[in-house]
Amino acid sequence: NAGVTQTPKFRILKIGQSMTLQCTQDMNHNYMYWYRQDPGMGLKLIYYSVGAGITDKGEVPNGYNVSRSTTEDFPLRLELAAPSQTSVYFCASSYSIQNYNSPLHFGNGTRLTVT
Amino acid sequence: DQQVKQNSPSLSVQEGRISILNCDYTNSMFDYFLWYKKYPAEGPTFLISISSIKDKNEDGRFTVFLNKSAKHLSLHIVPSQPGDSAVYFCAYRDDKIIFGKGTRLHILP
Repeated sequence: NAGVTQTPKFRILKIGQSMTLQCTQDMNHNYMYWYRQDPGMGLKLIYYSVGAGITDKGEVPNGYNVSRSTTEDFPLRLELAAPSQTSVYFCASSYSIQNYNSPLHFGNGTRLTVT
Repeated sequence: DQQVKQNSPSLSVQEGRISILNCDYTNSMFDYFLWYKKYPAEGPTFLISISSIKDKNEDGRFTVFLNKSAKHLSLHIVPSQPGDSAVYFCAYRDDKIIFGKGTRLHILP
């Protein structure tokens, strides 16, 4: 009963390095999301996807890229890491946005520090 | 520009009493709201939701009230228990889910 799995749990990057945050879900959910949580700032939506091959920008997409080649996986790419990207990143999925009984299921987060 | 505002960063409530968490929104077209709860080092978990066709939804100790004319919703927890100490986020849903900044609830023994 894995749900939404995020790897790694922690990562320290140097400025300018790149990395991919992995997210996979085993619930056959169509919708997937990436959020970041900064202290005192709530959860900000970075990118989301309504199905394989479809992605869209959220509130704070700059500096990130995503892809959705399969239903299960939704990786988030940082190409040139900056200190402003130090945050906790959460991946989430849901079956349907129209179905009001389909809440978001979140992973446990990736804590990223850029120095 | 916040579309969902939680103006109280933190709230302390005695165990056994009622906890009331508030949330204001800006767009009267929003028609579905959710509350999530988050413990440290874990992802948020869904708590309760409400559609704009209702003004109240109840699930056990948790009740959400929606006042559409005031563009305000609130989450009531009664009685409050130590395990309720967490950060609570309100959110609205259209083609995506947008969250407020959260309120940290402390339940005092």
